[in-house]
Amino acid sequence: GAVVSQHPSWVICKSGTSVKIECRSLDFQATTMFWYRQFPKQSLMLMATSNEGSKATYEQGVEKDKFLINHASLTLSTLTVTSAHPEDSSFYICSATRYSGRARSQETQYFGPGTRLLVL
Amino acid sequence: QQQVKQSPQSLIVQKGGISIINCAYENTAFDYFPWYQQFPGKGPALLIAIRPDVSEKKEGRFTISFNKSAKQFSLHIMDSQPGDSATYFCAAKRTSYDKVIFGPGTSLSVIP
Repeated sequence: GAVVSQHPSWVICKSGTSVKIECRSLDFQATTMFWYRQFPKQSLMLMATSNEGSKATYEQGVEKDKFLINHASLTLSTLTVTSAHPEDSSFYICSATRYSGRARSQETQYFGPGTRLLVL
Repeated sequence: QQQVKQSPQSLIVQKGGISIINCAYENTAFDYFPWYQQFPGKGPALLIAIRPDVSEKKEGRFTISFNKSAKQFSLHIMDSQPGDSATYFCAAKRTSYDKVIFGPGTSLSVIP
């Protein structure tokens, strides 16, 4: 089946530093990837939609200068948390949409395993 | 309009019993309703999904029931097992290139 990977799986950093998280679709090309944030015992909150070759679309309330997204290829999207602070500590999850079938009529969204970020 | 409601928030079921999770939506433009299973520290995994043109879909022990007129859908887990203990999210989306709207989740515990 389709696989989406994330790297790193966990990261600890000091306050003020920047952290880059990679999201890769391993066996399919994804023109669209999504980045989510999840706090303990809560649902996934969509942060932004990452579009290959164009600017990301951010959800209301998400600082685009804080969370930089780059989707430079059809298999890779990156999320950079700039000047990270303790309140940015969270579980970050990406997903990628795979299209199949006639005229790409079937679509399935696959999720990565997540990246645990702890900012000290 | 974009919200997906889900209940119960948590559920405890005896091994072998039926787990039932209910969801409701408002936006009639939604045309794809997936269910995701998430274990602690892992990303969510697609469990089963349904489109509004069918009222029920079954895959193994998992069944989705869909009521288009009531804008409700539910997940039934038959013969629940301890390994089913996880958080379940219902979700909804519309047409290609759109985002998935998640429900708040249900924490399921299946006790021996």
